[in-house]
Amino acid sequence: NAGVTQTPKFRVLKTGQSMTLLCAQDMNHEYMYWYRQDPGMGLRLIHYSVGEGTTAKGEVPDGYNVSRLKKQNFLLGLESAAPSQTSVYFCASSSDRGTRREKLFFGSGTQLSVL
Amino acid sequence: QKEVEQDPGPLSVPEGAIVSLNCTYSNSAFQYFMWYRQYSRKGPELLMYTYSSGNKEDGRFTAQVDKSSKYISLFIRDSQPSDSATYLCAMSNNRDDKIIFGKGTRLHILP
Repeated sequence: NAGVTQTPKFRVLKTGQSMTLLCAQDMNHEYMYWYRQDPGMGLRLIHYSVGEGTTAKGEVPDGYNVSRLKKQNFLLGLESAAPSQTSVYFCASSSDRGTRREKLFFGSGTQLSVL
Repeated sequence: QKEVEQDPGPLSVPEGAIVSLNCTYSNSAFQYFMWYRQYSRKGPELLMYTYSSGNKEDGRFTAQVDKSSKYISLFIRDSQPSDSATYLCAMSNNRDDKIIFGKGTRLHILP
């Protein structure tokens, strides 16, 4: 079972460059999330989606955009990368059925460095 | 004040000891409380899930929630070196779909 797959696993960008991180899940989950994880800061929610075609802002949305055109995919975009966006990015998904919403399945992460 | 506070550690304990990990929170609307475990260079995985107040036990792990004090705990009995990881508490409510995490506590179990 693939679960949640993130691509790429590693990326180095120069300041001002743009890129898109792709998250794909094969569990037919309604909910999808993008988090960033920084040393001493824990996991912080960037954006999330409660279904195909919907997105919402999390705790730290500035500088990021997202799209959920297909139920299985959730894209995170950086239009103009900044060094402050150097981080490990995690995608997660969960079912919307009852208490299963809180059971997040995480991908293995994307290490992004912005120089 | 952050919504969820968690001591980042690191916490080092000898093998076989009882480990206590804690989080405090400020949002009284939180009703769902989770503990995730994260091994180095891996994504977090759900360890324990509790709704509202009370205790929940699963093998060597016990989760406690005290909503009156806005305080949750995770206890690990007979700790093993394989328990060495970062433990993150997480919380959510019925009003929105956000799941908020603590900073995580790094735990080292010494053989």
